[in-house]
Amino acid sequence: DTEVTQTPKHLVMGMTNKKSLKCEQHMGHRAMYWYKQKAKKPPELMFVYSYEKLSINESVPSRFSPECPNSSLLNLHLHALQPEDSALYLCASSKDRDFQETQYFGPGTRLLVL
Amino acid sequence: GQNIDQPTEMTATEGAIVQINCTYQTSGFNGLFWYQQHAGEAPTFLSYNVLDGLEEKGRFSSFLSRSKGYSYLLLKELQMKDSASYLCAVRPLSNDYKLSFGAGTTVTVRA
Repeated sequence: DTEVTQTPKHLVMGMTNKKSLKCEQHMGHRAMYWYKQKAKKPPELMFVYSYEKLSINESVPSRFSPECPNSSLLNLHLHALQPEDSALYLCASSKDRDFQETQYFGPGTRLLVL
Repeated sequence: GQNIDQPTEMTATEGAIVQINCTYQTSGFNGLFWYQQHAGEAPTFLSYNVLDGLEEKGRFSSFLSRSKGYSYLLLKELQMKDSASYLCAVRPLSNDYKLSFGAGTTVTVRA
């Protein structure tokens, strides 16, 4: 099983809303990632969690707040977003930080900020 | 910084072969990945190269030359379902986690 699941698949929110994106994997992976992808662009790394601790924050604005409640779950809390934050948000996981480990991506949440 | 280049678009006929090139200049090298991404879907892992040479997986093969900073993905016996974006990604030594992605090559397969 190499499945990473994400909910919701689509999300429309206003600039004053608070919403959360959820990601789940049951592969026993200990590294989990959030990426942002704009149309026709490559994924851009936002955050990395390793063993449930935030390992990397790629200078992401504070209106994005990640959370890793346990080794299988990763959330991304959204608050006061801007229209330019509209994008596909991808979650990924890998076994650990070993350089040979492949990152497996979820289907993504397509976010539209109005 | 990282610099990863691949062609923007390629078109080929069903049943043909297409080669997607990727060149990279990175601060280190810990492996190169190829991902396939259909429109509106997540990237799916295709191949991984860390040593020089050719890795073959069915209709897909990937080649790496570390001294030249060069890789290619070879798609054989093209099928319509192979129409997708193909992303080259490098893992630099400086950061175990981070994958630096190229902009992707959109391959269109025509009947």
